[in-house]
Amino acid sequence: AQSVTQLGSHVSVSEGALVLLRCNYSSSVPPYLFWYVQYPNQGLQLLLKYTTGATLVKGINGFEAEFKKSETSFHLTKPSAHMSDAAEYFCAVSANNNDMRFGAGTRLTVKP
Amino acid sequence: EPEVTQTPSHQVTQMGQEVILRCVPISNHLYFYWYRQILGQKVEFLVSFYNNEISEKSEIFDDQFSVERPDGSNFTLKIRSTKLEDSAMYFCASNQRNTEAFFGQGTRLTVV
Repeated sequence: AQSVTQLGSHVSVSEGALVLLRCNYSSSVPPYLFWYVQYPNQGLQLLLKYTTGATLVKGINGFEAEFKKSETSFHLTKPSAHMSDAAEYFCAVSANNNDMRFGAGTRLTVKP
Repeated sequence: EPEVTQTPSHQVTQMGQEVILRCVPISNHLYFYWYRQILGQKVEFLVSFYNNEISEKSEIFDDQFSVERPDGSNFTLKIRSTKLEDSAMYFCASNQRNTEAFFGQGTRLTVV
């Protein structure tokens, strides 16, 4: 079975600073990896995904993530934080059985 | 753009009552899911459904829960004899094989 660990339940950055949200996964088969964002009182919106091919994937709103098999990681980054990036971010993994499993989430706060 | 729709957006029920949460997945998707998010906590997998049967379920999905696809478009989650701790946001999702899941906006269930 696959699982995801997100290090840091809460990350706070200043506007314009680098955003780094950490995600490590466990999977017995090649994983599909996802980052979702959840704004207050809303559903989950896909930011980006890794399935196969290029290990650096770019998503919406300037976010990107790199799949590192040797480190079993899929960290999410953004060079310059914006106030509108404040939200809850969830890393997720799925494998051949298609059941997506989520991490506990990281709440990103952006200070002016 | 096709989307997953969930009704109602908010359901209040008395403890011990049965509730049915409704979802209309994206029409050409084959895999359907229910997830739960207790306020302030992670998104938890409940059940996945494919080819008119449950493909996997979590330990949360006990005999109190059931899912059904009564026709070609709806996918329902029934919770029998609701408890206070069933209060949560319930998300429906759907996908095609090995693609990202698309989520509905959720149904907020409040058990009083």
